[in-house]
Amino acid sequence: ETGVTQTPRHLVMGMTNKKSLKCEQHLGHNAMYWYKQSAKKPLELMFVYNFKEQTENNSVPSRFSPECPNSSHLFLHLHTLQPEDSALYLCASKGVAGGPPPYNEQFFGPGTRLTVL
Amino acid sequence: KNQVEQSPQSLIILEGKNCTLQCNYTVSPFSNLRWYKQDTGRGPVSLTIMTFSENTKSNGRYTATLDADTKQSSLHITASQLSDSASYICVVSRSNSNSGYALNFGKGTSLLVTP
Repeated sequence: ETGVTQTPRHLVMGMTNKKSLKCEQHLGHNAMYWYKQSAKKPLELMFVYNFKEQTENNSVPSRFSPECPNSSHLFLHLHTLQPEDSALYLCASKGVAGGPPPYNEQFFGPGTRLTVL
Repeated sequence: KNQVEQSPQSLIILEGKNCTLQCNYTVSPFSNLRWYKQDTGRGPVSLTIMTFSENTKSNGRYTATLDADTKQSSLHITASQLSDSASYICVVSRSNSNSGYALNFGKGTSLLVTP
C-alpha cells in the first residue's frame, strides 16, 4: 500500500445524483492532488492543494467541487455529472521540498472507478 | 509543446521473456523522468526515477535508461513474470516547479504476460 486511501473504490451514479469521493493520506504530506484517468488517455490533473489551499484548477467544470479540510484529507464533490465523466479518479499526495526523500514524488491512491449513467 | 509519447501502446509476451518499453518526450526544461507501474484497479506506483545526469537505474528486474540528449527513455523488464502484467506509465517533470502542472504523463503501455 502507498499510504494513500480512497473511498469508495467503485461508484455508479445517475446524472442528477450528488456524491462525494474521499481521499486520505497517512504520509504526513502537505500537497494533495486529484487526477482523472480515462481509457487511452494520459492522466489529467484536475486540482492541486498545498497546505490546504487550492493552488491549481486545471479548467475543471464546476460540477466537480474539491474540498480540503486539512492536509490529510481531500474530497471531490460531484453533482449533475455527464456520462463522459465516467473514469478512474486518482488522488495523490506529495511531501514538500526539504523533507525526507523522495520528497518530490507523488504517491497515488488506488482510485475510485466512477460510472455515470 | 510538452509531450510524452510511449510505445508500443500494448504488448503481449510469454512468461520468462524480456521486453523493452519506449518513452520519447519533448518536455523542457527537463527535471526528472519516472516510470510507474499501474496494476488493474490500482493507482500508479513508482518504479524508477532518473535525473538529467543519470542514464541507467535498476529496480530488481526493471532497468530504466535515459538519454537526455535524444530525450528518450526505455524500461527493460527481464525474465518477465505474470505479475508484470500492468500498464507502465512514463512521467516527465519540468524543472523549477512544485506545481502539479509540472508533470507530463504518457498514455502508458499495456503489458500482458501470458503463461
